[in-house]
Amino acid sequence: DAMVIQNPRYQVTQFGKPVTLSCSQTLNHNVMYWYQQKSSQAPKLLFHYYDKDFNNEADTPDNFQSRRPNTSFCFLDIRSPGLGDAAMYLCATSMPNDNEQFFGPGTRLTVL
Amino acid sequence: KQEVTQIPAALSVPEGENLVLNCSFTDSAIYNLQWFRQDPGKGLTSLLLIQSSQREQTSGRLNASLDKSSGRSTLYIAASQPGDSATYLCAANYNFNKFYFGSGTKLNVKP
Repeated sequence: DAMVIQNPRYQVTQFGKPVTLSCSQTLNHNVMYWYQQKSSQAPKLLFHYYDKDFNNEADTPDNFQSRRPNTSFCFLDIRSPGLGDAAMYLCATSMPNDNEQFFGPGTRLTVL
Repeated sequence: KQEVTQIPAALSVPEGENLVLNCSFTDSAIYNLQWFRQDPGKGLTSLLLIQSSQREQTSGRLNASLDKSSGRSTLYIAASQPGDSATYLCAANYNFNKFYFGSGTKLNVKP
C-alpha cells in the first residue's frame, strides 16, 4: 500500500543534542510538509518542499532545518533541541492538483 | 492572519446519535478544506476533502459541507459508534500550500 512512513516513532534526546527525524513516502507526491503538534494543540506547519523548492514558514525557529535529497525522503533536523521542542512531529505529502494531504504516523520527540 | 476555530472542544454522545462538528475560518479565500481524524498518539487520517468549488462531500456515514461566504464547514456523523471516538480536526488550505488547522473536537461515543 502506498503510504507515508516516519522513523523513528519515538525519539528521546538530550537538551542541546542534535536530532534528525525521517520521513519517506511511496505516493510519489511532489509536496512534503513538516508539522509540529504539541499536546491538545493544532498542528503547526514548519515548512514544506515543492519538489526541491524549500518554503519556510516565517515563524519557524532557525533551530529547525530540513533536507529533501530526493522525491521519496525528507528529513527534519533540530540543531539544538530545547525542552520546548518536545512534541509530535508529523510529516505529510500532497499532489498539487488537489492538495489533499496524507499524513504519516508521527514521531514523538522527548527532550530530557 | 487566517484562523481556524473548532467548537465544541469536546463532545460526548450516546451510541447511535447523529452529530455535527463545526469548523469556522476567518478568510473565505480558501483553496480547499480537509477533515481529519486523529486517534491518541497517532497521525492524522484524512476523512473528506472539499474543494472551494464544492458544497459538500460524502463518505459512508460522514458528510462534510462547506459555506465559504459564511466561513463555515460542518462534519456530520450519522449513527455514531464507539469506534468513532477520536479527535476530529479541520484544516483550511490557503495560497496553495498554506494549511491552517483548528485545535480539534474530541469526540467520545459512549456504548
